[in-house]
Amino acid sequence: NAGVTQTPKFQVLKTGQSMTLQCAQDMNHEYMSWYRQDPGMGLRLIHYSVGAGITDQGEVPNGYNVSRSTTEDFPLRLLSAAPSQTSVYFCASSQGLAGRNEQFFGPGTRLTVL
Amino acid sequence: AQTVTQSQPEMSVQEAETVTLSCTYDTSESDYYLFWYKQPPSRQMILVIRQEAYKQQNATENRFSVNFQKAAKSFSLKISDSQLGDAAMYFCAYRENNDMRFGAGTRLTVKP
Repeated sequence: NAGVTQTPKFQVLKTGQSMTLQCAQDMNHEYMSWYRQDPGMGLRLIHYSVGAGITDQGEVPNGYNVSRSTTEDFPLRLLSAAPSQTSVYFCASSQGLAGRNEQFFGPGTRLTVL
Repeated sequence: AQTVTQSQPEMSVQEAETVTLSCTYDTSESDYYLFWYKQPPSRQMILVIRQEAYKQQNATENRFSVNFQKAAKSFSLKISDSQLGDAAMYFCAYRENNDMRFGAGTRLTVKP
C-alpha cells in the first residue's frame, strides 16, 4: 500500500492564481481531511470528508474548496491564491470517525504564494 | 472551541535520559481522544501514542508513556532512555468526532 500520497511536493504560485492540491489514499478509508501547518501554530483543520459526496468545514475553511467524488481522492482547491495561504498542507485519512481510528498523514505540500 | 496548549516551545535532553513534554487542553466534552505526534525534519507526521479519555490507565508504547490527568485536562508525554532519533517536533493533539486540534509543538533536541 502507498498509504496517503500528495502531489505536488512543492509549489510556487502568484497572487490570484488557482491550483489544486491532490490527495489520494489506497486504504479504503472513509474519513479524509486537509490541514495547514504554519510556523508556531501547529496544524489546523481546513476541510474534511466522512465519505464520497460528503464534505464539511473545519477550523480555517476560507479560501479553500473541496470535493469528494470517490473514496480514494480528496483534492483541495485554491480559487484565488493569497500570500496568507503560504503554508505546508497535509492530507490525512482514517477508517471512520473518532480518535479510536488512527489518522495517517501524507508527506505534505509546501506552497508559497508570492 | 477546544484548544490545545504546549507551553514548552523547546526542550533538550541528554541521550539515555528521560524527558517530559507538557500539554494541556480545554474542552467541555467527556468523550474524546488525545494524541502525541512526532514530526522529524522529513515533515512526516508519525503517531507516537494515543489515549482514550474514558480510560483511566495511562497509555504506554515502549519508551513512550503518558500522564493523563482528565480532571486537570493535562496530557504529558514521557520519553525514557532518549535516543538521538527522538529529536523532532512533538505535537499534542485532541480529537472529538470530526474536530481535531493541535498544539503549537515542542522542539526536542537530544544531546549525545
